[in-house]
Amino acid sequence: DIQMTQSPSTLSASVGDRVTITCRASQSISSWLAWYQQKPGKAPKLLIYKASSLESGVPSRFSGSGSGTEFTLTISSLQPDDFATYYCQQSNSYPLTFGGGTKVDIK
Amino acid sequence: EVQLVESGGGLVKPGGSLRLSCAASGFTFSSYRLNWVRQAPGRGLEWVSSISSSSGHIYYADSVRGRLTISRDNAKNSLYLQMNSLRAEDTAVYYCARSGDSIWSLYFDLWGRGTLVTVSS
Repeated sequence: DIQMTQSPSTLSASVGDRVTITCRASQSISSWLAWYQQKPGKAPKLLIYKASSLESGVPSRFSGSGSGTEFTLTISSLQPDDFATYYCQQSNSYPLTFGGGTKVDIK
Repeated sequence: EVQLVESGGGLVKPGGSLRLSCAASGFTFSSYRLNWVRQAPGRGLEWVSSISSSSGHIYYADSVRGRLTISRDNAKNSLYLQMNSLRAEDTAVYYCARSGDSIWSLYFDLWGRGTLVTVSS
């Protein structure tokens, strides 16, 4: 199985900050990586797929990069609505696996 | 409106059974792969099972294989999860999630609100 490791597990930031979250795969997954945002009590929401493709309707302050085993999600200027937990997921092969999550909270 | 709506969750005793349903609307159900993803209280996301558009390809996580069975009825725009021999560690919110039917589209672009399954005596 492909293991996905996210860092950090928690991140404290202020509105307007540039935020970067890292996701590492235990083996190469090419560009088969997705990112999700989840708020408490809500379902996850797809942000990025194929490592860098922005899902329709997602603000352009979100971007993704990387390939192989190392990936990043960047929020260029953190907004109040962005405080949430973020998950990466490899879409390369079954079993599909998620990272452990990164909680972005208010500094 | 494009949506997925889960139902069927509840409290069940260890060893018991439960059947979850997911009703789809607003899109061509028979063209998409459907999935179950769960989240234990206070924990992260765990993929459970996937079924291709025509039910020809089915996949399970090792943690549920042999106990949970995924199925779908394209005529009824519905997805199901039959859960048998339930354990305390199956306690979670179960989400129905849509993905593309291609192996190049194994990410989840539409999610339901989830249904809570609690396994406890």
